[in-house]
Amino acid sequence: DQQVKQNSPSLSVQEGRISILNCDYTNSMFDYFLWYKKYPAEGPTFLISISSIKDKNEDGRFTVFLNKSAKHLSLHIVPSQPGDSAVYFCAASAREANNLFFGTGTRLTVIP
Amino acid sequence: DSGVTQTPKHLITATGQRVTLRCSPRSGDLSVYWYQQSLDQGLQFLIQYYNGEERAKGNILERFSAQQFPDLHSELNLSSLELGDSALYFCASSVRRDSKSPEQFFGPGTRLTVL
Repeated sequence: DQQVKQNSPSLSVQEGRISILNCDYTNSMFDYFLWYKKYPAEGPTFLISISSIKDKNEDGRFTVFLNKSAKHLSLHIVPSQPGDSAVYFCAASAREANNLFFGTGTRLTVIP
Repeated sequence: DSGVTQTPKHLITATGQRVTLRCSPRSGDLSVYWYQQSLDQGLQFLIQYYNGEERAKGNILERFSAQQFPDLHSELNLSSLELGDSALYFCASSVRRDSKSPEQFFGPGTRLTVL
């Protein structure tokens, strides 16, 4: 049972434009959400996170939005750069559990 | 560089064999997590250790086991290997068992191929 879902396996965006990656979850006990970026032959790298008490968190070009009522979060990258091309994983955590639940990832390609 | 190291980077073995994957967490991190990523899948949580003790179990097969040593490095043992065990195995570490910010920091992974 996939509790965190990323329904778009891939996304292509022109350099300089906005990239929007989406993630849905089913478990209402999740209280913390994270985005990881993964390059080939490397481990996932932590990018940005958001607590369930917030609806937005911003870090430079990266912004994560959380809509608890819809059980949906999104990652916005503005402006997109070719170096952003990677697989992005959404992950969620519940207070009583220590592990992260991951989505299946979205492969972002930023076209120069 | 996350500060988490994993060895070996690649491992090729045959069905029925047993292998050991090794992980050293970031300096100061007490928790170690093991994840499995099969082809085109998300990362699946296997097991967590905190300061030498098992804290949580996920979808870990009985053929698999892990331990964390006094120096905090961890080993994942996979036995009676099957073709379906071929995957990327990631280790991650974090500071606290019940951190308010549960970011985990991942190693580069071990790619296991079972022939």
